[in-house]
Parts: sequence; C-alpha cells; structure tokens
Amino acid sequence: DAKTTQPNSMESNEEEPVHLPCNHSTISGTDYIHWYRQLPSQGPEYVIHGLTSNVNNRMASLAIAEDRKSSTLILHRATLRDAAVYYCILSGNTGKLIFGQGTTLQVKP
Amino acid sequence: DAGVTQSPTHLIKTRGQQVTLRCSPISGHKSVSWYQQVLGQGPQFIFQYYEKEERGRGNFPDRFSARQFPNYSSELNVNALLLGDSALYLCASSFSWTPPLYTQYFGPGTRLTVL
Repeated sequence: DAKTTQPNSMESNEEEPVHLPCNHSTISGTDYIHWYRQLPSQGPEYVIHGLTSNVNNRMASLAIAEDRKSSTLILHRATLRDAAVYYCILSGNTGKLIFGQGTTLQVKP
Repeated sequence: DAGVTQSPTHLIKTRGQQVTLRCSPISGHKSVSWYQQVLGQGPQFIFQYYEKEERGRGNFPDRFSARQFPNYSSELNVNALLLGDSALYLCASSFSWTPPLYTQYFGPGTRLTVL
C-alpha cells in the first residue's frame, strides 16, 4: 500500500486560508487521493478526493501536483469548526483506506 | 437522508466475552467496511464487504469476523475479548468497493471498553 507523509500539526487563524500538504512519492497510476477529517469523538468525515486534476467542492479544494507525488488540501476560509485531524489517504483498486497519523489543525480565533 | 448508523453507541465487556456490533449503511450503498481506532491513532482497516461477499481483510486475528446481510447491513463480531480490543469501531459505507463509486462515508462509531 502506498504511503503518505503529512506534518503532525499546523496552526491557522480564523477566516484565513489553510493549505495542508501531503507527500505521496510512491503513488501508482490508479491510486486516488482522498482527504478525510475527524473531529474529536466522531467518525471520519469525507472531504474531497481526486485522481489527476484539481477538484473543488463546497468544503475545500484539492490541488494535485502534475507528477502526482504531492497534493494540497485548501480550506479557503478556516473557521473554528475546521479544527480537526486531517488525513490524506491513497486508495487503489479497492476501497480499503489506510490511515496514517494525519495533521492536527488548530484554528485560532 | 440518514447517514450510516451504528449500534450500540457504547459497550462495556469483560475479558473473554464476545461482542457483536451492528451497522446500517446509507440507503443505496452496497458496500460496508469496518475499522478499529485505538485512542490516539488513525483508524485501522478490518474488513470490507460488497454484495454479502468479503472483498478485503486487514491484519486482524481470526477472533474478528463479520458478515453482510441481504439488506446490506452488517455485523462485526469479536470473540475472546482482550484488553487491547478496547477501541472505537467505525463502520463506513459506499456504493461500490471499486472506483469510481467507492468513496466511504463513516458512521459515529461504537465505543467498546474491555475490562
């Protein structure tokens, strides 16, 4: 299973954009890049996913490097409710998700 | 629309006992996956089912088993409980188990405490 590398923690100010990086140098051509987040005492919440092209949805944007060896989750205006652990996950031909330690995002008012 | 539901929300068992956890997927979803999350760590994959057939299994002992029913709900069974089985057990559902319709949506989990 291909692995991802994320910073352990990041800080952001409320109402400012947040860029969460993820490195996945061993990604294969069929691996999708998924982002989930998890608030304390809750199940993981799907955020966004993509294969090759940048993706946007109501929650966030996903920017994928041209060589696909890295990606960035972009929260356009952080709110206090965005404070969570963010997981960057690669999944291939099956839906099995291999979670790492993720990035703990703190949002300061 | 209702999301993934799990029951019970909390459970306390003693070592050596057996436990059954239940999961109802989002309507229309045919795949269910189970994950174990120990405190302070990311979720670990246990099983994936699609159309009642096991499609994937993680690195867990045979004490862990699961099944999926014709209505796509699922049960996770754990026998001979150990203290280390104390964790949040998460269920996730998806339309399929292969791309592109395999995005998983998680339930709130069942908190299992083994004493």
